[in-house]
Amino acid sequence: KNEVEQSPQNLTAQEGEFITINCSYSVGISALHWLQQHPGGGIVSLFMLSSGKKKHGRLIATINIQEKHSSLHITASHPRDSAVYICAVFYSGGSNYKLTFGKGTLLTVNP
Amino acid sequence: NAGVTQTPKFRVLKTGQSMTLLCAQDMNHEYMYWYRQDPGMGLRLIHYSVGEGTTAKGEVPDGYNVSRLKKQNFLLGLESAAPSQTSVYFCASSYSSQGRQTQYFGPGTRLLVL
Repeated sequence: KNEVEQSPQNLTAQEGEFITINCSYSVGISALHWLQQHPGGGIVSLFMLSSGKKKHGRLIATINIQEKHSSLHITASHPRDSAVYICAVFYSGGSNYKLTFGKGTLLTVNP
Repeated sequence: NAGVTQTPKFRVLKTGQSMTLLCAQDMNHEYMYWYRQDPGMGLRLIHYSVGEGTTAKGEVPDGYNVSRLKKQNFLLGLESAAPSQTSVYFCASSYSSQGRQTQYFGPGTRLLVL
């Protein structure tokens, strides 16, 4: 069974700091997703990647397939970045419907 | 476009009551999903659909039924609610296979079963 581990579980930062959230998984995957869940509960997809690196604004996602690890970076963090960040993997050889989700990382950015 | 909408936003049920949660999407997506989110756990798939008229079981299907009579709608039913079904329910949709396509989520439905 493919497990998804995120670290840290909780992260508090000061505005402007560089943030890194990590995601590790146990078997080979086809794709990895990063999602953001706002304090109000809504979930938004940030990235989907299967190799390399993607960037959108101040957010950068990287993945290392050999090490089975992905990171989500936030540059120049802002209080509006406060949210739960969720990693999910779609693993090779599995059914074509199911993502396995991590438990999330709660990020709080203080002004 | 409204994206993915869910009805209702919040509901309180007594044990044994039934209810239906409605999910609607206006993006012409083939795939639709129902998840539940519980404290300390990742999102878990309840049921999913790969197209109009089709449904399939996910990871935690017991106690739930679904129907997809129209492409844009995906209904989740609880025939006899139990306290263990207290959760936040999210509907999502994607153009094709969940794993390789961006998912679009609804705002969630908070359900409390007493």
